[in-house]
Amino acid sequence: DQQVKQNSPSLSVQEGRISILNCDYTNSMFDYFLWYKKYPAEGPTFLISISSIKDKNEDGRFTVFLNKSAKHLSLHIVPSQPGDSAVYFCAGGYSGAGSYQLTFGKGTKLSVIP
Amino acid sequence: EAQVTQNPRYLITVTGKKLTVTCSQNMNHEYMSWYRQDPGLGLRQIYYSMNVEVTDKGDVPEGYKVSRKEKRNFPLILESPSPNQTSLYFCASSLSGTGWGEKLFFGSGTQLSVL
Repeated sequence: DQQVKQNSPSLSVQEGRISILNCDYTNSMFDYFLWYKKYPAEGPTFLISISSIKDKNEDGRFTVFLNKSAKHLSLHIVPSQPGDSAVYFCAGGYSGAGSYQLTFGKGTKLSVIP
Repeated sequence: EAQVTQNPRYLITVTGKKLTVTCSQNMNHEYMSWYRQDPGLGLRQIYYSMNVEVTDKGDVPEGYKVSRKEKRNFPLILESPSPNQTSLYFCASSLSGTGWGEKLFFGSGTQLSVL
């Protein structure tokens, strides 16, 4: 059962335009969500997170929106830059049995074209 | 510099030959975890550890062992590797593993090929 789904394996965007990466989840227990960015030959790095009690969190060019009723979140990057080209992983997390567990999606490869 | 260090970065081995991938963190983190990344499957958790001598299975633990004898180290052991364990492996750590919204810090990865 895939609890976190990133249905677009890849996305191409022109430099300066908006990139929108989508993520759907099925587990109602998730109480926070995170986005990680991964460059080739490197480990994933944390990008931005959002609590399930919020519907928006912003950090510079990056904004994450959460629609709990639709079990959907999206990451907006404005404006997109060539250095944003990477694989983006969405993850849902919850605290249970004394530890928190993250479930990752399959990732979306973003290509920002100069 | 705060980091998670994995070794080796690349490893080619043959079926059945025991191997260990080391992981060390210098951030005094209590929580450590191993993931594997496969094309089309994303990141899947293998094992995790909440603290020294405390380990637990993740989503795909079969064929793997771990140990946590010291806080900073969390080696991944493949006692009898098989070709389906060919994958990109990541070690990760976080402060306590119980904090809401805690960030995971990842190592650079180990690309393992089992022939």
